[in-house]
Amino acid sequence: NAGVTQTPKFQVLKTGQSMTLQCAQDMNHEYMSWYRQDPGMGLRLIHYSVGAGITDQGEVPNGYNVSRSTTEDFPLRLLSAAPSQTSVYFCASSYTSGEQYFGPGTRLTVT
Amino acid sequence: QQQVKQSPQSLIVQKGGISIINCAYENTAFDYFPWYQQFPGKGPALLIAIRPDVSEKKEGRFTISFNKSAKQFSLHIMDSQPGDSATYFCAASKGQGNLIFGKGTKLSVKP
Repeated sequence: NAGVTQTPKFQVLKTGQSMTLQCAQDMNHEYMSWYRQDPGMGLRLIHYSVGAGITDQGEVPNGYNVSRSTTEDFPLRLLSAAPSQTSVYFCASSYTSGEQYFGPGTRLTVT
Repeated sequence: QQQVKQSPQSLIVQKGGISIINCAYENTAFDYFPWYQQFPGKGPALLIAIRPDVSEKKEGRFTISFNKSAKQFSLHIMDSQPGDSATYFCAASKGQGNLIFGKGTKLSVKP
C-alpha cells in the first residue's frame, strides 16, 4: 500500500512551458485534491474531485487544469507556467473531504 | 477573507515545556477541526481532530481544546520534545466540504 504518490519530486520550468504533475493513490479514495504551499500562506486548494469524472475549482484555480478519468489518478496540468506558480504542490486523498492523506509533494520552480 | 486564523507564526519552547497554538474561525457551519503536522520536505500528516460536540480531545501528549462560543480551538503539546519540531496547521471544514487551512505555526523545541 503506497498511499499517495507524486511525481516528479522536483521540476524546473521556463516561463511559458507546460507540464503535468502526477498524483496517484491506491486506497480507493473517492476524494482527491491539489494544494499549493507557499511560505507564510499555508495550504491553498487549487482543484478537487469527489469521484471519477467530477472535478471542481478550489481557492486558486487559475492557470491549472485537472481531470479525473480513474479513481486512482488525479493529474494537475500547468498550461503556461509563470513565475508566480513557483511553489510546492501537494496532492491529497480521502474517503471524504475530512481526514486527508497527503503525498510527499512536488517542488516546482518557474524561471 | 481569511476563514481560519492561526497564531503564533512561530514558537520556541524548551524541552519538557508546553506548546500552545491557537486558531480562530468565522464560519459557524464548520463541524470538523483537524490539526496537521508537517516535517521539512514532507507532506502534512493528520495529528488529531475534533468535532464541535466535545470541548476537548486528548491523544497522548497532544490535546485539542475547543470553545464553540468563542469560535476558537487550540493545540496543546505537553512535555514538548525536539522531535516535535515541525510546522503545525489547523484546519476546518463543514459537512463534506473542503478543508480550509490556517497559515501554519513553525514550532522549535530546544533541547
